[in-house]
Amino acid sequence: DTAVSQTPKYLVTQMGNDKSIKCEQNLGHDTMYWYKQDSKKFLKIMFSYNNKELIINETVPNRFSPKSPDKAHLNLHINSLELGDSAVYFCASSQSGSGELFFGEGSRLTVL
Amino acid sequence: KQEVTQIPAALSVPEGENLVLNCSFTDSAIYNLQWFRQDPGKGLTSLLLIQSSQREQTSGRLNASLDKSSGRSTLYIAASQPGDSATYLCAAPVNNAGNMLTFGGGTRLMVKP
Repeated sequence: DTAVSQTPKYLVTQMGNDKSIKCEQNLGHDTMYWYKQDSKKFLKIMFSYNNKELIINETVPNRFSPKSPDKAHLNLHINSLELGDSAVYFCASSQSGSGELFFGEGSRLTVL
Repeated sequence: KQEVTQIPAALSVPEGENLVLNCSFTDSAIYNLQWFRQDPGKGLTSLLLIQSSQREQTSGRLNASLDKSSGRSTLYIAASQPGDSATYLCAAPVNNAGNMLTFGGGTRLMVKP
């Protein structure tokens, strides 16, 4: 009963393709996030989303889009993949107010 | 804009030593600060969350302190063990409007038996 789960764990694809990474949390949290960890292991926030508001980090290309079918899911869609998109993508969730963040295990995306 | 810095970037110690990891942040108007652990190929595990009204938090051999006025937090690990080997990251809110965190670059800790 993993709290925050992501699929797939590994994804290898060609440049130009469109791909999605799924995320689900069973913690009952109202806010979910996507983070990107690059090859230098630096973590950067991409999106924050609750049922009222999507906050986008201004540095994220519009090829990336989060989609939330319900409160427990936040999927990441990436269009026209580029080599520089290769990274580990982490989903996370928290309850607004408490602030404590819980992470998934990550999805390693490799673009060839 | 919040910026978080961690020093040292890497640390290697013999088992049993007490050690201190440092974190500094530029915007002192934070409402909390969080320390995480990341094992290779894994996600992040929350270790300690310090609210802005607190000066420190303890969990087992870990103690985290927060000094908002100086923009610093420290993570103290007592009696280090090989199992403590991991990367430790601190994170502070991007701003006061939400839970988006900005992370430091991490301290990669190796505890040698």
